[in-house]
Amino acid sequence: KNEVEQSPQNLTAQEGEFITINCSYSVGISALHWLQQHPGGGIVSLFMLSSGKKKHGRLIATINIQEKHSSLHITASHPRDSAVYICAVSYGGATNKLIFGTGTLLAVQP
Amino acid sequence: DAMVIQNPRYQVTQFGKPVTLSCSQTLNHNVMYWYQQKSSQAPKLLFHYYDKDFNNEADTPDNFQSRRPNTSFCFLDIRSPGLGDTAMYLCATSRNRAEQYFGPGTRLTVT
Repeated sequence: KNEVEQSPQNLTAQEGEFITINCSYSVGISALHWLQQHPGGGIVSLFMLSSGKKKHGRLIATINIQEKHSSLHITASHPRDSAVYICAVSYGGATNKLIFGTGTLLAVQP
Repeated sequence: DAMVIQNPRYQVTQFGKPVTLSCSQTLNHNVMYWYQQKSSQAPKLLFHYYDKDFNNEADTPDNFQSRRPNTSFCFLDIRSPGLGDTAMYLCATSRNRAEQYFGPGTRLTVT
């Protein structure tokens, strides 16, 4: 079983729809990260959170530490939001390396 | 703008021919990471530098080495690339254990 599970794996939405991507993890973490990767491109960090909720523009990320669950929401989705969204966790310590989920491929159609 | 830069963006090399990928940053971050991402897979950490301290992941092949001559630059050397080393190589930086900032990646093809 992967340490980090995401759902859904693939998601198609119409422009303007509200989108939710879910992430669950198996053990206690130092922080949870939401990342965006366009096809063939580099990775952009969207959020790093360890509790509560963060908002940036049309993106909202929440985390429930007790339930070991996080969600990424996109309001008023747009075709330029089409990308792979990756949930990753870090455990702190000397490395603070990221353990990545399998990603959610989002396609927003006009 | 402060950023993480990787060169080249695309590299084709022959089986067994050494190759070097570079990463530079203007963020003045003290931690630099190298990740390997194979097609349709999640990125996997190869190694990282915390200041001048080099930290190798246990399962990183000996074929992969790294140099960090100063705070701004970090290099990934692949001594004898195999076909299985075809991948996207991502450099990331962070201030201590805070959020990681990624470069655009170098897509390496070994023929």
